[in-house]
Amino acid sequence: GQGVEQPAKLMSVEGTFARVNCTYSTSGFNGLSWYQQREGQAPVFLSYVVLDGLKDSGHFSTFLSRSNGYSYLLLTELQIKDSASYLCAGPSGGNYKPTFGKGTSLVVHP
Amino acid sequence: DPKIIQKPKYLVAVTGSEKILICEQYLGHNAMYWYRQSAKKPLEFMFSYSYQKLMDNQTASSRFQPQSSKKNHLDLQITALKPDDSATYFCASSQEEWGGEYFGPGTRLTVL
Repeated sequence: GQGVEQPAKLMSVEGTFARVNCTYSTSGFNGLSWYQQREGQAPVFLSYVVLDGLKDSGHFSTFLSRSNGYSYLLLTELQIKDSASYLCAGPSGGNYKPTFGKGTSLVVHP
Repeated sequence: DPKIIQKPKYLVAVTGSEKILICEQYLGHNAMYWYRQSAKKPLEFMFSYSYQKLMDNQTASSRFQPQSSKKNHLDLQITALKPDDSATYFCASSQEEWGGEYFGPGTRLTVL
């Protein structure tokens, strides 16, 4: 299929880390993006990955395995304000028409 | 200063009417997009434009027509509005037709 799948919810603790997983169809891969979206607001771009491996962007890091159709967003040194929905947007065929996952709602507890 | 402007922020329309949603980006990007997000649903890709040319259209209904008068403008005309069209419409842009996209603040449309 051409879907993008993410877990609906994730909980973690302030000061620790959280990993948001995303699986997607491997056909026609053009790259995969991660966004943060707060309630009632627009998505905010975090990272775009096309190469396998870990891409370290400080507070946010992303990992990609193209052969497995798998990516994750890693948030370290969590703060309460990191509580938000995290969206994965992946390929959906040869042309560029991204498919968004339903988002993972991350709740960071004190 | 906002880099992507969407007007209006809120819009209420009656069934059967026509509205135009405005989008302007000041990021110097070459590609622009429209998305729709209904309550509790994922973001839904609608259109993509690159260098003012329509690249992809995932909207089944011809009631939705993008209009690009300038490279940094991509408006969305919606005709014969229906209550099911109620959603937040986001405009986005990217440097080229790949890579991450930057989203505008959205226009929340309510059709009565």
